[in-house]
Amino acid sequence: EVRLVESGGGLVQPGGSLRLSCAASTFTLSGYWMTWIRQAPGKGLEWVANIKQDGSVKYYVDSVKGRFTISRDNAKNSVYLQMNSVRAEDTAVYHCARDRDYYDSARDSYYDAFDVWGQGTMVIVSS
Amino acid sequence: AIQMTQSPSSLSASVGDRVTITCRASQGIRNDLGWYKQKPGKAPELLIYGGSSLQSGVPSRFSGGGSGTYFILTITSLQPEDSATYYCLQDYAYPRTFGQGTKVEI
Repeated sequence: EVRLVESGGGLVQPGGSLRLSCAASTFTLSGYWMTWIRQAPGKGLEWVANIKQDGSVKYYVDSVKGRFTISRDNAKNSVYLQMNSVRAEDTAVYHCARDRDYYDSARDSYYDAFDVWGQGTMVIVSS
Repeated sequence: AIQMTQSPSSLSASVGDRVTITCRASQGIRNDLGWYKQKPGKAPELLIYGGSSLQSGVPSRFSGGGSGTYFILTITSLQPEDSATYYCLQDYAYPRTFGQGTKVEI
């Protein structure tokens, strides 16, 4: 079974830092873009950041730019999210997901989709 | 950022019903859209990619259509296990953006 397992969540004070980890099992993470997605309690899904296979390209949602850093260690088959200067609005379940390329021969096109998700790790920002 | 607007926000239907959920993008996104299903307390799961391609293992009662700015997810012959929240996601541009979700109750 292809799995992603997140860890590192917990209670953190506003302005504090936390590092989330996402470990892959039964597949080699290095072949994929990897993504962090979060879900605040009772709310919808929000894409947070992603990182290219070799770590050379990263994208972030505006609300976390300059505060969060996505990174990866392919030797450890893991992806990370360093969260600094956290705010109450960062409170959420954080999921990592595998970003897979699909080739549709009928349309001769490639498409991205998140085909494997972790169960998530909860981050609570509160004093 | 591209805004994704889903409708309805919730719906109630019966087993065997046909259900349609729509997703509109604030600008054209070709066919770069996926549909995801999420049950409470669980991770989302991929249903459709590329606007209309069915993910392996997903029942054929799920189908997707549309392109550009208008997309639809159709569930034919609704089953009890389809009770969930459904999200669209555009992967045309950064930042990726989800619709606000549609809760389907049976």
